[in-house]
Amino acid sequence: AQSVTQLDSHVSVSEGTPVLLRCNYSSSYSPSLFWYVQHPNKGLQLLLKYTSAATLVKGINGFEAEFKKSETSFHLTKPSAHMSDAAEYFCALNNAGNMLTFGGGTRLMVKP
Amino acid sequence: DAGVTQSPTHLIKTRGQQVTLRCSPKSGHDTVSWYQQALGQGPQFIFQYYEEEERQRGNFPDRFSGHQFPNYSSELNVNALLLGDSALYLCASSLRDRFNEQFFGPGTRLTVL
Repeated sequence: AQSVTQLDSHVSVSEGTPVLLRCNYSSSYSPSLFWYVQHPNKGLQLLLKYTSAATLVKGINGFEAEFKKSETSFHLTKPSAHMSDAAEYFCALNNAGNMLTFGGGTRLMVKP
Repeated sequence: DAGVTQSPTHLIKTRGQQVTLRCSPKSGHDTVSWYQQALGQGPQFIFQYYEEEERQRGNFPDRFSGHQFPNYSSELNVNALLLGDSALYLCASSLRDRFNEQFFGPGTRLTVL
């Protein structure tokens, strides 16, 4: 069985400071991992994905994530937060079953 | 190029009623997946359709059923609605052999009273 745990339900940062959203996973196979962002009343937008290539993955809007197999982690980072980054973020995995398993989400708040 | 579209945007039903939600995949995509996102939670996989057949199913009761049409569009049907079915229903599309490139629609917000 596979699962995704997002370690923080809420994260608050000041504009211009770094962002760290934590994600741990459990999977019987080598998974593909994803980060999605969801703005209020919107669908999910893909930020980045890891599919067994480079372990450091760069995505849109300055976000990146590093796949660490030894730690079963796939944390999302951004060097400098912007007000427009305030949203809900979801980590997800696909272990070749062609269905995504999502974490519970992390709400990112950005203070001016 | 239109992305994934879903209709309606919102709807309100009462317990025991039936509902049909619709999804048009991104142009060129042949696989549609449906997810339920309850308030404050991550999306949960309901089922996936390819070649007009249900290919995979998550842990949802038989009250949840679907259909895929020859043009790859899809419907999600929920019978005997319960209060707990209130959620945002998301549709995602992809190519059958490129599942890791999946696009989501804006969702349908279902409220059951």
